[in-house]
Amino acid sequence: GAGVSQSPSNKVTEKGKDVELRCDPISGHTALYWYRQSLGQGLEFLIYFQGNSAPDKSGLPSDRFSAERTGGSVSTLTIQRTQQEDSAVYLCASSSGGSVEQYFGPGTRLTVT
Amino acid sequence: GNSVTQMEGPVTLSEEAFLTINCTYTATGYPSLFWYVQYPGEGLQLLLKATKADDKGSNKGFEATYRKETTSFHLEKGSVQVSDSAVYFCALSFSNTGKLIFGQGTTLQVKP
Repeated sequence: GAGVSQSPSNKVTEKGKDVELRCDPISGHTALYWYRQSLGQGLEFLIYFQGNSAPDKSGLPSDRFSAERTGGSVSTLTIQRTQQEDSAVYLCASSSGGSVEQYFGPGTRLTVT
Repeated sequence: GNSVTQMEGPVTLSEEAFLTINCTYTATGYPSLFWYVQYPGEGLQLLLKATKADDKGSNKGFEATYRKETTSFHLEKGSVQVSDSAVYFCALSFSNTGKLIFGQGTTLQVKP
């Protein structure tokens, strides 16, 4: 079956603009995660959705970052008023209920100029 | 807090050499432990996992044993190949949160 997909694969934006990054998890997976991979900070957890529970937003670096998950499937990560330090690869992962294994998408490379 | 520390890279080996990448963790409780691999130009893939003490995860000739007494999960392979060149990440998670905490990654380069 299809794996986790993300779009766009690359995004270049100007400082101060808003961006939306999309993640389509594996069908049937109830848990969805966003991570960020950057040279300076390595791989960092951002946010976690599990079913209908309130999301764990403990990793979001500032209030410019938000995410939603509609219908328990597709998720959108929004970054408002982008800054150069937001440049990174944004990774999405999903897992099935009760499993510790997460399956990652190919990522979206965000460049803020 | 919870954290993972990996040996610094890059690690450069000749083909068929023995590989060890050290990983230690700090955690409150008993996490699951993972090794993820990122091949050049590709996404993160789960290489192996162990969910409790003394478990051994293995895949593609790689092995790692969950050592609670030394809080370690070292990655080993008896004979590396050029195709093993990649970045390797050690990680932990707890079942109640699921979020992965990663080490900084170790780059492995295998030369023919």
